[in-house]
Amino acid sequence: DVKVTQSSRYLVKRTGEKVFLECVQDMDHENMFWYRQDPGLGLRLIYFSYDVKMKEKGDIPEGYSVSREKKERFSLILESASTNQTSMYLCATGTGSPLAKNIQYFGAGTRLSVL
Amino acid sequence: DQQVKQNSPSLSVQEGRISILNCDYTNSMFDYFLWYKKYPAEGPTFLISISSIKDKNEDGRFTVFLNKSAKHLSLHIVPSQPGDSAVYFCAASLQTGANNLFFGTGTRLTVIP
Repeated sequence: DVKVTQSSRYLVKRTGEKVFLECVQDMDHENMFWYRQDPGLGLRLIYFSYDVKMKEKGDIPEGYSVSREKKERFSLILESASTNQTSMYLCATGTGSPLAKNIQYFGAGTRLSVL
Repeated sequence: DQQVKQNSPSLSVQEGRISILNCDYTNSMFDYFLWYKKYPAEGPTFLISISSIKDKNEDGRFTVFLNKSAKHLSLHIVPSQPGDSAVYFCAASLQTGANNLFFGTGTRLTVIP
């Protein structure tokens, strides 16, 4: 079974704080992704990584950065949290193999509130 | 611009009846389509997928139909059960790239006992 673990289920931060969201996977997957989920907007891709130290911008990278120093860990960083970053954040992994039909496996999510 | 669309935000169905969730897409280069199910306070879980070279894929109570000419796919759940109540996301992937998924906005299914 693929296990994707997000370090916190709930976080409350203040405007302007630097926020770290951690994601760890145990399946040796090459690809890792960060999404945010908002009502009526579905899942929107923030950043993804297909290798250690590699990162690519998704659809909404503004206000975020990422770090992938080890294959199993992908961190999302909010440099200066703002209230419009209050959301559910979801980490996902995938093998990158066409045989895997592009299936991604998700963590349980981190609900972040920025006050 | 949203390349994958789910135009029905919610759907209610009686237990035992069929649930039909719809999804439309705009990009003819998508090669795989996936459905995910999401319960509150949990991450999405993969449900079923279909390749663009097929028009139907079945797995137990779940069947996905693909109509490439109409750029439309649907998920059928028969018979619907109360445990199926969740938000369902349609997603699509491109033939090239780092297997990014493009998600729809989701449909909340409520199965009434």
